[in-house]
Amino acid sequence: AQKVTQAQTEISVVEKEDVTLDCVYETRDTTYYLFWYKQPPSGELVFLIRRNSFDEQNEISGRYSWNFQKSTSSFNFTITASQVVDSAVYFCALSEASGYSTLTFGKGTMLLVSP
Amino acid sequence: DVKVTQSSRYLVKRTGEKVFLECVQDMDHENMFWYRQDPGLGLRLIYFSYDVKMKEKGDIPEGYSVSREKKERFSLILESASTNQTSMYLCASSLYPDSQGGTEAFFGQGTRLTVV
Repeated sequence: AQKVTQAQTEISVVEKEDVTLDCVYETRDTTYYLFWYKQPPSGELVFLIRRNSFDEQNEISGRYSWNFQKSTSSFNFTITASQVVDSAVYFCALSEASGYSTLTFGKGTMLLVSP
Repeated sequence: DVKVTQSSRYLVKRTGEKVFLECVQDMDHENMFWYRQDPGLGLRLIYFSYDVKMKEKGDIPEGYSVSREKKERFSLILESASTNQTSMYLCASSLYPDSQGGTEAFFGQGTRLTVV
């Protein structure tokens, strides 16, 4: 069965600090997909990124970057120069190619960025 | 933009009531999902549907049922609400897996249900 672990329950940083959110996954499929979602206080989950298992290229989008390492089954998310607006709960999720695109979520990491 | 709309933002129901949570998406997605979110437990899949009138159990289907009579609408039904079903309920939709595989899900704003 697939599983996603986000070991960090809560992280507090001061604005402009860099912060990395960890995600470790387990799956028996050789083809799978990894996602990150942001849930601001308003409650709606916002899609951030999708990564296919056969594409290990890291990605950068503005202040956000993602490090996918198949060897360690990790898909970590770094925010550079954090801002107060980054305060949210962040979820890592996994879906397997053999399924119906159902997502298995980690328990989430609450990030609090203070001024 | 994909829009997933849940009929209520907040609901308060009494124990034993039959509760309907409605979800509508406007992007012709094949897949629709119902999750519940609880503190410390993350999001857990209740039911999903990959086509009209088709449904599959997720990880925690007990006490729930679903209905999908039209492609754009997916309803979650609590047959007899209980206090342990007090939670945030999130609806989502996605395209059927494409040639690249898994597709991202788009979520509604959530319904916070309180059962008293």
